[in-house]
Amino acid sequence: AQSVTQLGSHVSVSEGALVLLRCNYSSSVPPYLFWYVQYPNQGLQLLLKYTTGATLVKGINGFEAEFKKSETSFHLTKPSAHMSDAAEYFCAVSVPGNDMRFGAGTRLTVKP
Amino acid sequence: EPEVTQTPSHQVTQMGQEVILRCVPISNHLYFYWYRQILGQKVEFLVSFYNNEISEKSEIFDDQFSVERPDGSNFTLKIRSTKLEDSAMYFCASGSLAGARTDTQYFGPGTRLTVL
Repeated sequence: AQSVTQLGSHVSVSEGALVLLRCNYSSSVPPYLFWYVQYPNQGLQLLLKYTTGATLVKGINGFEAEFKKSETSFHLTKPSAHMSDAAEYFCAVSVPGNDMRFGAGTRLTVKP
Repeated sequence: EPEVTQTPSHQVTQMGQEVILRCVPISNHLYFYWYRQILGQKVEFLVSFYNNEISEKSEIFDDQFSVERPDGSNFTLKIRSTKLEDSAMYFCASGSLAGARTDTQYFGPGTRLTVL
């Protein structure tokens, strides 16, 4: 079965600091992994995804994630946080049958 | 840029009433989905829909739920007799690549359903 686990329901960083949001996956088939962001009162917006090929994936808004098979991880990073990055971030894995399994989410707070 | 739209943004209903949540997927997309997010919990898959029939459904999607694509543009989720525990944000999503796990699903802004 496919699943993802997000470590840390809340992460707080200072503006300009490194953002690291952790995601570990479990998958019996080659995983296809996604990061979505949810701003207050909005839907889910795709940040980036990994399917095959290069394991370092770059997304929108300066975010990137690295697929590490040996660690079953797909952590999301951004070198320098902006106030506008404050949101809920969801890691997800695509399962056979095309639906998505989401993690519980990590709420990112950015302090001035 | 094309986007998925949902109406209404907020629906309040009495327990036992029927509700219909509406979605307009991106026009050239082939796969349609409903998810829900109970307050403070993770986003959960409900159902996927392709070629005018349900492709997959979760254990949450019981006989109280149904989906329909009545006119080639709208995609609806009906809850026949709402329960208090149906209170949640319901997200519609659509994707363009039929049968592809690599497909990006584009989500609408959600409908917040409150059952009193």
